[in-house]
Order: sequence, then C-alpha cells, then structure tokens
Amino acid sequence: EVQLVESGGGLVQPGGSLRLSCAASGFTLSGYWMTWVRQAPGKGLEWVANINQDGSRKHYVDSLKGRFTISRDNAKNSLYLQMNSLRAEDTAVYYCSRDMGESWGQGTLVTVSS
Amino acid sequence: QSVLTQPPSASGTPGQGVTISCSGSSSNIGSHDVYWYQQFPGTAPKLLIYKNNQRPSGVPDRFSGSKSGTSDFLAISGLRSEDEADYYCAAWDDSLSGWVFGGGTKLTVL
Repeated sequence: EVQLVESGGGLVQPGGSLRLSCAASGFTLSGYWMTWVRQAPGKGLEWVANINQDGSRKHYVDSLKGRFTISRDNAKNSLYLQMNSLRAEDTAVYYCSRDMGESWGQGTLVTVSS
Repeated sequence: QSVLTQPPSASGTPGQGVTISCSGSSSNIGSHDVYWYQQFPGTAPKLLIYKNNQRPSGVPDRFSGSKSGTSDFLAISGLRSEDEADYYCAAWDDSLSGWVFGGGTKLTVL
C-alpha cells in the first residue's frame, strides 16, 4: 500500500525556517516525480513545487522561487521541502503527493506567526 | 485569481447529473492533460480524473472528464449525498513552467 507521511510542520516566527519531510513507503520513490501542494486555511489548493525522479529537475511556483527548495533522498525514501524567510501568508497545510496527486499524504500544518 | 477558472459553487439533487467547468488557456488546458481532485473538509485531496478522462481504480464511473478547446469539464451522474465535496482541476502551464489549480468548486447535494 502506498503511504506518504509528512512531518516537520509547526509554529514558526516570521522570517524563520522549517524543513518539511515526507516519508514514502509501499513503492519505489526513485520511480516517480514528487510534488508539494499547500492549502491555506479556508482556501484552495496551490501547487508549490515538484522534482523529477533523480532530483535533477525542479520546478517551483513563481511566488516562492528563492525561498523554498525541494529535494529528495531516494535511498531514504524521503522528500523534503526547505522553507526559508517564512511569511504569514505561507501558513497552510502542506501535502506531499506522488506524481500529480496520484497519492497524497495527510498533510502537515505550518503556522507562521509571532 | 486562479489561472484556471471554476465556478465557486454547484448543486444538484440526488440522482441528477451535474457538470463542473474548468476554463483555461492555450498554455495549459489547451495543450496539456487535465486532472480533477475531490476533497472533503479536513482531509487530503483525492485524485478523481487524470489525463483528461481516465479514472483511477476505485473511482465510480459516475465521474467522467471531457475537454473542449481550452476548457475541461467534470461530469457527475446519479448524484449521491456523499458526492458533496470540493472539486479542483489542475493542469501544467507552459507559460509559468508549473502546475496550476482552479479555485475549486463546492458541490452541494440538495
């Protein structure tokens, strides 16, 4: 069974950093593109970034370029999202997904507030 | 404002059919596959339709997708109360070099 489990969310002050992790099981991570999607409270889905199978290709939503970095460690079956210079508007539930939403994690909540 | 435009709400009665539209442009829907997702409050989205009209295993054939030019459509036939959820479309956008979502449609089963 495909499972994706996000972790690393929490409360952080504006300007701070967080690193989200997504642990994958039930499939071979190295065979798939992986994606981060976020959802602000009461709002719709927003695509954040994706990364190809070996990590050589990455795409980001324009508004986040330079602050967020997606990466992966196939040997550890893990996907990551490094988030720097966090702002209040980054407050959201962050989901990892296989390909473009073929499977999803339960999400991890990031709250940026002083 | 979302790059893909969906109606904010839709409704129907049990047994009826309803169609949700997703309007884009030549740089997204017009040249790429469209995906649809279903989301219940407080839960992760679920893939409903991929590559325009393909259903993952387990998705009832009451759900179908179709495309016409730069618009895509999710049709739900034989509405059930359990279909009441938020629905989102998504597609790759060449101009943005990224994926874009519609703003979501809240479906109410009256």
